[in-house]
Amino acid sequence: KAGVTQTPRYLIKTRGQQVTLSCSPISGHRSVSWYQQTPGQGLQFLFEYFSETQRNKGNFPGRFSGRQFSNSRSEMNVSTLELGDSALYLCASSAKSDSTDTQYFGPGTRLTVL
Amino acid sequence: DAKTTQPPSMDCAEGRAANLPCNHSTISGNEYVYWYRQIHSQGPQYIIHGLKNNETNEMASLIITEDRKSSTLILPHATLRDTAVYYCIVGWEYGNKLVFGAGTILRVKS
Repeated sequence: KAGVTQTPRYLIKTRGQQVTLSCSPISGHRSVSWYQQTPGQGLQFLFEYFSETQRNKGNFPGRFSGRQFSNSRSEMNVSTLELGDSALYLCASSAKSDSTDTQYFGPGTRLTVL
Repeated sequence: DAKTTQPPSMDCAEGRAANLPCNHSTISGNEYVYWYRQIHSQGPQYIIHGLKNNETNEMASLIITEDRKSSTLILPHATLRDTAVYYCIVGWEYGNKLVFGAGTILRVKS
C-alpha cells in the first residue's frame, strides 16, 4: 500500500503571496490532519478533516485554511504569507478517527518564505 | 501543552538496547501512550502505542508501569539508523489531534 504523499516537496514563496499544499492519504483512509513544524515551536496541530468536514482546528490565524475532497485528498492554503510561515508542513492520515487509530505521516512540504 | 516529560537527549552504543523513558503523571484512565520518531527533516514515523499492557512489535517494545504514570520505549538492538528524535505522546483529542512535546534526541554511536 502506498504511503501518504505530499506535493510539492519544496516550495519557495515571497511575503504576501499565497500557497496551496496537497496531501493524498493512504488508500481507504478518511482522516487527514495537518501539522506545522518549526525549530522554535516544534510540531503544532493545524486542523483535521474527516469525510470532508473540519472537526478540529489548532491555534492558527485565519490565513491558514484547508479542505478535503470526496476522495479524501486534502489541501491546505496559506494566504498573505509571512516570513514566520517558513516551516515543514506535514500531513497525517488515518483510517477512522478514534484513540486507537494510528496516524501515518507524509514526508512533508518544506515551505520557505522570502 | 504536552502531557509528557522526556529527557532532551540520550546516547546509545550501536547494537545495545536503547531505553527511552517518558513521564506522564497526569494520564487519564482511557488515554493511550503513543511513540513516534522523526529522522532528520522527514515525517514522523509511528512506532508503537499502548494503553495498559506492555506491547511489542517488529520495531520496539513499550513498557508501561502499573500506575501508568510512566513508560519506556525499548529499541532492542539500536543501529545508526535509529538516530532520531523520539516523541512520547499521551492522549488523543477529537479530530485526531496529537500534541507533540520536544521529544528525546537519541544518538546511536558506533
